[in-house]
Amino acid sequence: QKEVEQNSGPLSVPEGAIASLNCTYSDRVSQSFFWYRQYSGKSPELIMSIYSNGDKEDGRFTAQLNKASQYVSLLIRDSQPSDSATYLCAVKGSGANNLFFGTGTRLTVIP
Amino acid sequence: SAVISQKPSRDICQRGTSLTIQCQVDSQVTMMFWYRQQPGQSLTLIATANQGSEATYESGFVIDKFPISRPNLTFSTLTVSNMSPEDSSIYLCSVEDQGGRVPRPDTQYFGPGTRLTVL
Repeated sequence: QKEVEQNSGPLSVPEGAIASLNCTYSDRVSQSFFWYRQYSGKSPELIMSIYSNGDKEDGRFTAQLNKASQYVSLLIRDSQPSDSATYLCAVKGSGANNLFFGTGTRLTVIP
Repeated sequence: SAVISQKPSRDICQRGTSLTIQCQVDSQVTMMFWYRQQPGQSLTLIATANQGSEATYESGFVIDKFPISRPNLTFSTLTVSNMSPEDSSIYLCSVEDQGGRVPRPDTQYFGPGTRLTVL
């Protein structure tokens, strides 16, 4: 059973702060890692993908991957109220097509 | 990039009836998937819709309850059969493509979802 675990939150941060979202996964052969953002009543929207150990930056978002620790995180710098959403971590194994999702972390950015 | 649409966007159905949800993509894509998101929960894969052959179902999901069609590379349907209140969920289709028709290969993109309520 592939498991992806996230702290369900809610996580509250003040506007302008850094929000840190964490995810662990159980399948060591996982190769691809994704962060999706889901606003209430909407479908998931891809934020970041990461495949190699280390950091990957895209604007205010930084994804961090540590395969040895089976850990992936998402940092949101200069958090804005519009970042308030549920963030879903998703993992794909080697040669697999389907994604395994965590339960999501609900983030609230307080103006 | 590919535009994904779903019909209906929402529906309220009676127990024991069936509903067919359509997923349309504006370009041919390699893979199409169906997910369920129950209230307050994360996404669970129901099946992979295979073009021209039977869908591949995940553990806990069966063809009799969730028949799926994929007649071509741009269209798929999911039917929720003999519905009960426990089937009240958001149903999402997603696509993945290796041929450059979506922004990144090896990445799934989601349709807007169908919100189903069963009374």
